[in-house]
Amino acid sequence: QSALTQPASVSGSPGQSITISCTGTSSDVSDYKYVSWYQLHPGKAPKLLIYDVINRPSGVSNRFSASKSGNTASLTISGLQAEDEADYYCSTYTASRTRVFGGGTKLTVL
Amino acid sequence: EVQLVESGGGLVQPGGSLRLSCAASGFTFSNHNMNWVRQAPGKGLEWVSYISRSSGAIYYGDSVRGRFTVSRDDAKNSMYLQMNSLRVEDTALYYCARDLHYYDSDYWGQGTLVTVSS
Repeated sequence: QSALTQPASVSGSPGQSITISCTGTSSDVSDYKYVSWYQLHPGKAPKLLIYDVINRPSGVSNRFSASKSGNTASLTISGLQAEDEADYYCSTYTASRTRVFGGGTKLTVL
Repeated sequence: EVQLVESGGGLVQPGGSLRLSCAASGFTFSNHNMNWVRQAPGKGLEWVSYISRSSGAIYYGDSVRGRFTVSRDDAKNSMYLQMNSLRVEDTALYYCARDLHYYDSDYWGQGTLVTVSS
């Protein structure tokens, strides 16, 4: 199972919005609602930002939103803050009864 | 407070074995599906294994299938990962993660480091 495709890096200035894409295939992202997004700060445990494509767990800022179109899921962070600088990963269930993560995207807040 | 604490990592030679444990507290462990996820040094997250509530469904990533075995003991609020025939490429920080529903891990431990080297 190949990793989902994410851009290696994105950047934005404080207050701006950025979008991270996550591209899979018809056997994973396209066919299932189990797309989730995670934030990783160095030395800390991953944090769930989005589950079931568009849902935010309680306690996650509404600056984080997500969507899906065909084989591509997207995470948007609005009103960028310095604390958003981190690595971001998407994940989904697949037709092979496995789970796959994206390669990760490093967000730099300029 | 939900807590997941991994243990059992360490240095092992290629071909060796290790057993990782994940101790859960602060929630009803038996009600949740669980996962092992790893991160090799300088690399991204890689899903390793999934075990459903009551161990009814168990799945593995392609790179560990046939070598790793996941299990859980709901009476002890614990999950385990038996790792055999370890390879250098299995070197990673291994996380235990609880699913909110399905494949949406809402709580993660701090990880236990496995180093496979001669």
